[in-house]
Amino acid sequence: QKEVEQNSGPLSVPEGAIASLNCTYSDRGSQSFFWYRQYSGKSPELIMSIYSNGDKEDGRFTAQLNKASQYVSLLIRDSQPSDSATYLCAVKRGGSTGTASKLTFGTGTRLQVTL
Amino acid sequence: GAVVSQHPSWVICKSGTSVKIECRSLDFQATTMFWYRQFPKQSLMLMATSNEGSKATYEQGVEKDKFLINHASLTLSTLTVTSAHPEDSSFYICSARDWVGTEQYFGPGTRLTVT
Repeated sequence: QKEVEQNSGPLSVPEGAIASLNCTYSDRGSQSFFWYRQYSGKSPELIMSIYSNGDKEDGRFTAQLNKASQYVSLLIRDSQPSDSATYLCAVKRGGSTGTASKLTFGTGTRLQVTL
Repeated sequence: GAVVSQHPSWVICKSGTSVKIECRSLDFQATTMFWYRQFPKQSLMLMATSNEGSKATYEQGVEKDKFLINHASLTLSTLTVTSAHPEDSSFYICSARDWVGTEQYFGPGTRLTVT
């Protein structure tokens, strides 16, 4: 079982729709959760971080975390063609040093927003 | 978010030569820096973690004598690819985190081509 699992996609949604990206993780000790966006040929860009159960909203983005189910998701409202990218889920156990401080990435979900 | 720069953004070198890549945190002190490698259509692969003033910790399978990492200051880390070969051609991305250690920011990446 992979430590962080994401559906590779592509996930295709029409412009203006809600895109829902999902991620599950295996380490129950994970405390910090992140969503990165990576355009083709570019480096990842941090778009959301979430640390406690529930929802966290930032503009068109909402991150949802359910630690009991070991599940984190990202909703993108009013999807735009410019949102087309690969979205990487990353988790961290916590702490600032040692193995626990490393991010563990999923392989990413490719999102395509169609006109 | 915090800004991380990398230089050069791309480099072409001949087989057998060495290449140095610089990573700088521009508006924060990076106590920890990470170096990743990404091959086309693959996920990020962590190569090593470095804490300022300490030796880097390399991931399993990464040759520390080939990929030299120096993190001499709180704003600069360097990766030197020694005796580069065509199979070292890849996208190298650094990432930095401050002492609080919550969020991690990526540089724009360096595309290395070894001919």
